[in-house]
Amino acid sequence: KAGVTQTPRYLIKTRGQQVTLSCSPISGHRSVSWYQQTPGQGLQFLFEYFSETQRNKGNFPGRFSGRQFSNSRSEMNVSTLELGDSALYLCASRPAPGGSYEQYFGPGTRLTVT
Amino acid sequence: QKEVEQDPGPLSVPEGAIVSLNCTYSNSAFQYFMWYRQYSRKGPELLMYTYSSGNKEDGRFTAQVDKSSKYISLFIRDSQPSDSATYLCAMSGRAGGTSYGKLTFGQGTILTVHP
Repeated sequence: KAGVTQTPRYLIKTRGQQVTLSCSPISGHRSVSWYQQTPGQGLQFLFEYFSETQRNKGNFPGRFSGRQFSNSRSEMNVSTLELGDSALYLCASRPAPGGSYEQYFGPGTRLTVT
Repeated sequence: QKEVEQDPGPLSVPEGAIVSLNCTYSNSAFQYFMWYRQYSRKGPELLMYTYSSGNKEDGRFTAQVDKSSKYISLFIRDSQPSDSATYLCAMSGRAGGTSYGKLTFGQGTILTVHP
């Protein structure tokens, strides 16, 4: 079974621009979560989606948003990029809320903001 | 104070050693506990997961949870150079709670196993 896939793998953007990252969960998994990983703050939860609805949200500004499609694929968007948004953005999937609780991560998208 | 505390190391051990990695937590709502391994420039890979207090063994890895002390451990027996990576503990709350589905991570411990 294929794992979680994320595209693109690397991205360089300029301050003020916006970016969209994509995630395809493991086949059969219906819940998708997003995390930001930086050397200073470690891995931090952004949000979780299930059935095209945001179920949980971390402490990030409104510039960070996401959505989920009917096929469980998910995208996250960051608007008005800041230098501090440079990070590894990780997507994780699990079967569904209320079921298995362990999450499986993709390889991440490394975003560099200049 | 962070909800999950993990000694960042770095930890350097000889091949064949027993490695002990630990995390403490403050949020009593955490019910599910996981250990992830992350190689450089890769996504975290799930190693072990457990729900209840006690031990869980999988090959060379043993996960231990003590909810009364809010303390979890990962033991690696007969460590190999290929075990060199960052090890992250992660936790989430019970189904129906606000933290369910949201993993809270420790800072990660950098482990090097030298031949």
